[in-house]
Amino acid sequence: EVQLVESGGGLVQPGGSLRLSCEASGFTFRSQYLSWVRQAPGKGLEWVANIYPDGRETYYADSVRGRFTISRDNAKNSLFLQMNSLRAEDTALYFCARELIVGPAEYFQNWGQGTLVIVSS
Amino acid sequence: DIVLMQSPGTLSLSPGERATLSCRASQSVRNNYLAWYQQKPGQAPRLLIYGASSRATGIPDRFSASGSGTDFTLTISRLEPEDFAVYYCQEYGSSLVFTFGPGTKVDIK
Repeated sequence: EVQLVESGGGLVQPGGSLRLSCEASGFTFRSQYLSWVRQAPGKGLEWVANIYPDGRETYYADSVRGRFTISRDNAKNSLFLQMNSLRAEDTALYFCARELIVGPAEYFQNWGQGTLVIVSS
Repeated sequence: DIVLMQSPGTLSLSPGERATLSCRASQSVRNNYLAWYQQKPGQAPRLLIYGASSRATGIPDRFSASGSGTDFTLTISRLEPEDFAVYYCQEYGSSLVFTFGPGTKVDIK
């Protein structure tokens, strides 16, 4: 069974930093494309970043580029999101997602339950 | 960047009825790389449809989808009590970014 378990969320002041983690099991982690997707309270879904299996290619939403860094440790089946210069608008539930690759297309096949980040003074 | 619009915002129906949800893109969706997700309160989203019309693993056949270019539709043939949820469409674009629509809430009439 595929499992994705996020951790590391919490309350942080504007301008602060936080590192999210996602521990994965039930699939061959090192061969999977992975993403972070967030959802502000009561709002819709917003893709944040993704990373290719070997970690060499990463992509970001415009709203986080230059502030957030996605990374992975294939030896530990773990995905990370380093979030710097946090803003109030980064407040959201952050989901880790395993992607489904269909030809050149990518979709979000499996999701964790999310970790809540609150940016407030 | 592409913008996805979903309508209606809320759809109020009774169990057993047919639900038709729309997702319209501001420009043509590349190769129909479009997905639909279901999200229930307090839960993570679940992939229903990918490639505009292919059901994901384990998705009941009362869920179907169609469309191409800029207009896409998700149909639930007969609503079951567990189908009342929010539905999002999502596009995978040529600039290797993902865009979600704002969602359609299907609630009980």
